[in-house]
Amino acid sequence: GAGVSQSPRYKVAKRGQDVALRCDPISGHVSLFWYQQALGQGPEFLTYFQNEAQLDKSGLPSDRFFAERPEGSVSTLKIQRTQQEDSAVYLCASSLAARGQVYRETQYFGPGTRLLVL
Amino acid sequence: QKEVEQDPGPLSVPEGAIVSLNCTYSNSAFQYFMWYRQYSRKGPELLMYTYSSGNKEDGRFTAQVDKSSKYISLFIRDSQPSDSATYLCAMNNYGQNFVFGPGTRLSVLP
Repeated sequence: GAGVSQSPRYKVAKRGQDVALRCDPISGHVSLFWYQQALGQGPEFLTYFQNEAQLDKSGLPSDRFFAERPEGSVSTLKIQRTQQEDSAVYLCASSLAARGQVYRETQYFGPGTRLLVL
Repeated sequence: QKEVEQDPGPLSVPEGAIVSLNCTYSNSAFQYFMWYRQYSRKGPELLMYTYSSGNKEDGRFTAQVDKSSKYISLFIRDSQPSDSATYLCAMNNYGQNFVFGPGTRLSVLP
């Protein structure tokens, strides 16, 4: 079966533009996560969905960041009025079970979208 | 001070060497410890998963957790050029978000 896919793989935006990043999780996976990975750093949590419900958005750095998963499968991360500090790789991960439902939680990552804001 | 620390490297070793990668952490509540491998321009992939303290072995890979020292290690035996990647440690408490280290870049030279 297919893994997690993300599109576009690369995105160049001018400062102030809005961008939308798409994540297709593994079919049937309940949990979906977005992470931000700056150059030379590990992924940092942004937000978590259980099916269509956004249960945790504590990692979103500002109100310019917005995520949705309206039908509990595909998710979109939108960044409004992009700034240079938004340049990073945005990773999506999915997991079969809901957070807190199993002791061993395995997250499967997509290849990421590399965003460069000029 | 970051919650999870990791030597960024780069670490260069000859093919066949034993590699030791380490992380330290500050949050004593962490119970689940993972090692991910990330190739350039790819997403992280899970290598090892350990609960609480102890050792776990899988092929050429051994993961160790010492909760009393807040220290975890990944050992790679008989390293291969295909092991060249960034290795990320990650940890969490039950039902909580993963916290990743910054990663160690490893190069295995043929």
